[in-house]
Amino acid sequence: KNQVEQSPQSLIILEGKNCTLQCNYTVSPFSNLRWYKQDTGRGPVSLTIMTFSENTKSNGRYTATLDADTKQSSLHITASQLSDSASYICVVTVPGNTGKLIFGQGTTLQVKP
Amino acid sequence: AAGVIQSPRHLIKEKRETATLKCYPIPRHDTVYWYQQGPGQDPQFLISFYEKMQSDKGSIPDRFSAQQFSDYHSELNMSSLELGDSALYFCASSGDRANYGYTFGSGTRLTVV
Repeated sequence: KNQVEQSPQSLIILEGKNCTLQCNYTVSPFSNLRWYKQDTGRGPVSLTIMTFSENTKSNGRYTATLDADTKQSSLHITASQLSDSASYICVVTVPGNTGKLIFGQGTTLQVKP
Repeated sequence: AAGVIQSPRHLIKEKRETATLKCYPIPRHDTVYWYQQGPGQDPQFLISFYEKMQSDKGSIPDRFSAQQFSDYHSELNMSSLELGDSALYFCASSGDRANYGYTFGSGTRLTVV
């Protein structure tokens, strides 16, 4: 069982609509949880980063939430645009001086006109 | 702002050949991480360096080696290449160990034929 699991695996929405991506994790404790956007063939780009004490973090049309009790995080995208089509990856940082990342398998989002 | 630079962007090699991938971290970042991402898979941690010393080791094959140089750039050396080594290799650098402010490079696409 993956330590970081994301759902849905893929999602298709119409331009302008909102969507929410889910991330469940078992990594405990953890230093922080991040959401990345990854375009095909490119390195991930950070959207939000939250420590275990934070509940929500926004970055433009992206809003991430974190519930440390249920070990769940979500990424909400409002007013989607065609350029939002990408993979969205939930990543948890393992505490310690190595700072290793544990990646979820990602949600592939396709925004259609 | 300067980002993480990886070279080359694309590389095609034949089986049993060697390849060297380079990563230039953000200035003043002292930590470099290497990840391998196979087609349709989440990134797998290979190895990391902090202050030119190996800090953590993941699922890196014995055929691969890496090092971090005095200018903090890192090189991933891959020998006896196999078809299964075809993947996107990207590195991340970090200079803020408290918050693990990762920045990823755009990656090197290695194709072994």
